[in-house]
Amino acid sequence: LAKTTQPISMDSYEGQEVNITCSHNNIATNDYITWYQQFPSQGPRFIIQGYKTKVTNEVASLFIPADRKSSTLSLPRVSLSDTAVYYCLVPTRRRALTFGSGTRLQVQP
Amino acid sequence: DADVTQTPRNRITKTGKRIMLECSQTKGHDRMYWYRQDPGLGLRLIYYSFDVKDINKGEISDGYSVSRQAQAKFSLSLESAIPNQTALYFCATSDQVTDTQYFGPGTRLTVL
Repeated sequence: LAKTTQPISMDSYEGQEVNITCSHNNIATNDYITWYQQFPSQGPRFIIQGYKTKVTNEVASLFIPADRKSSTLSLPRVSLSDTAVYYCLVPTRRRALTFGSGTRLQVQP
Repeated sequence: DADVTQTPRNRITKTGKRIMLECSQTKGHDRMYWYRQDPGLGLRLIYYSFDVKDINKGEISDGYSVSRQAQAKFSLSLESAIPNQTALYFCATSDQVTDTQYFGPGTRLTVL
């Protein structure tokens, strides 16, 4: 089963760029990598998804190296409202996504 | 209207009671999921269904059962609630191609 590993927590300041790296050594050839954001007492919200190289949207960028064994979520110029838990997911063999503990990002003024 | 709805949003019950949490979606997705989240922890998968006739246990299915009444509806039951099932429960749906999941607002369940 695909398993992801990401830092438990990170701290940053407003205006800085934040990079959160996730390792997924057993990712399958056809699997996408998906990142979610969760605020307290709310369901996770989709941020970005990618298969290889780089994907960018209005919220974040996702960098995926050629071997696809890791990925990095990049949040440009974070604000206080970016304080949340960020999850990196890849499907299991039966394609059921399993959330780990995620990375708790704390943005300070 | 929200694409994924959950009822009730909050529920307080007593040990031993049977509880049903309901989830409905208008996204047209075949795949639906139930998760629970305990304070300060990540989401844990209880059950998932890839279509009406395909239901699978997740990481923590003991003490829970599910029913997929239709493509749009997926219910979670606690046959005999116990206090350690006090948690926030989320329903989600996803499409088959990318597995991007869309979550409901959650049900906060307290078992006394």
